Amino acid sequence: QSALTQPASVSGSPGQSITISCTGTSSDVGGYKFVSWYQQHPGKVPKLMIYDVSQRPSGVSNRFSGSKSGNTASLTISGLQAEDEADYYCSSYTSSTTWVFGGGTKVTVL
Amino acid sequence: QTQLQESGPGLVKPSETLSLTCAVSGDSVSSSSYYWGWIRQPPGKGLEWIGSIYYGGSIYYNPSLRSRLTLAVETSKNQFSLKLTSVTAADTAVYYCARGLPGGAAAPVGFWGQGALVTVSS
Repeated sequence: QSALTQPASVSGSPGQSITISCTGTSSDVGGYKFVSWYQQHPGKVPKLMIYDVSQRPSGVSNRFSGSKSGNTASLTISGLQAEDEADYYCSSYTSSTTWVFGGGTKVTVL
Repeated sequence: QTQLQESGPGLVKPSETLSLTCAVSGDSVSSSSYYWGWIRQPPGKGLEWIGSIYYGGSIYYNPSLRSRLTLAVETSKNQFSLKLTSVTAADTAVYYCARGLPGGAAAPVGFWGQGALVTVSS
């Protein structure tokens, strides 16, 4: 299984909105509603931010939202804050009954 | 609250077997409501799904690691384990144990261990 494709980096100014894309195939992103997004600060454990394409776990800010169209999922962070600077990974359930991650996107707050 | 803690050698020689265990507290590995899994992250790189296991026998392996990988649940010790044979430098990574949210194999990871760095080197 090949890793999902994410941009290496995305940046924005405080208060702006940014969107991270995650492109897969019909065997993963396009075939299931089971897309998740994780946030990882340097040296820290990943944290679940979005699951099932657009669902937020309890405690996650509503500034984070997810969507999907065809084989591409997206994570949008609105009202960008300094604390949002981190690496973000998408993940999708696959037809092999396993999960596959994206390569990760580094978000920089300018 | 589920807590996970990885343990095992931090240094493994090439061609040998990497073995890690994950001790579970605040939960039971005998639960069939969610999976127990492993994810790794090479230094400075992204996450890679290794595999997951349910109490009762269902196991799902990353196809690229399947031939070298064994996952098991040890109910008497309330822990689960990973064995990866014939390791090379490419297997050097932080290894995370994890628990899925309720909902089956397609549920996302809800709980993570702190991670254990394993270096493959002679």
